[in-house]
Amino acid sequence: AQKITQTQPGMFVQEKEAVTLDCTYDTSDPSYGLFWYKQPSSGEMIFLIYQGSYDQQNATEGRYSLNFQKARKSANLVISASQLGDSAMYFCAMSRMDSSYKLIFGSGTRLLVRP
Amino acid sequence: DAMVIQNPRYQVTQFGKPVTLSCSQTLNHNVMYWYQQKSSQAPKLLFHYYDKDFNNEADTPDNFQSRRPNTSFCFLDIRSPGLGDAAMYLCATSRGSGALDTEAFFGQGTRLTVV
Repeated sequence: AQKITQTQPGMFVQEKEAVTLDCTYDTSDPSYGLFWYKQPSSGEMIFLIYQGSYDQQNATEGRYSLNFQKARKSANLVISASQLGDSAMYFCAMSRMDSSYKLIFGSGTRLLVRP
Repeated sequence: DAMVIQNPRYQVTQFGKPVTLSCSQTLNHNVMYWYQQKSSQAPKLLFHYYDKDFNNEADTPDNFQSRRPNTSFCFLDIRSPGLGDAAMYLCATSRGSGALDTEAFFGQGTRLTVV
């Protein structure tokens, strides 16, 4: 069975500093995808970054990077140079890559960026 | 340019009165998901379709049903809404055609209130 764990219910970061949001996962599938989504107070889910289980390099998208440590089953999100607009809920998610394409989410981390 | 459209954005229904939420997509994606999200919680997968193949989660109550009459549309039926069913309902799609192609695109959600 798949499982995603986010152990930080809330985080604070000072504007312009970097922050790491933790995510660990558990799966017996050899092929899977890992995602991070941002959910502002408006409720929309915004895709941030993706890492495939066979990808050799860590994914990066602008100020977002994913620190993928496959042996430890962790996929932490690093946000560099935090901005006030980064304040939101952040969800780590995992998708199976078999015929089911099931996508499940972790419990989320609420990030607050302080000016 | 909206690619996944949920209607209505807000729905108020009476306790026990059947209600249907709708989702449409212009992406021609194979997979469509329905999630229930309660306040400050993670999205909980209710069920998903790969094309016409229906995948129900084991803990989804029988009160929740779904229909996918064609590729573009998917419906969530709540047969007898209870107060505990008040939540945001999120529809998402993914291409479901390859290992690197599993990013999910979300609609803006329908916030259901049960009175």
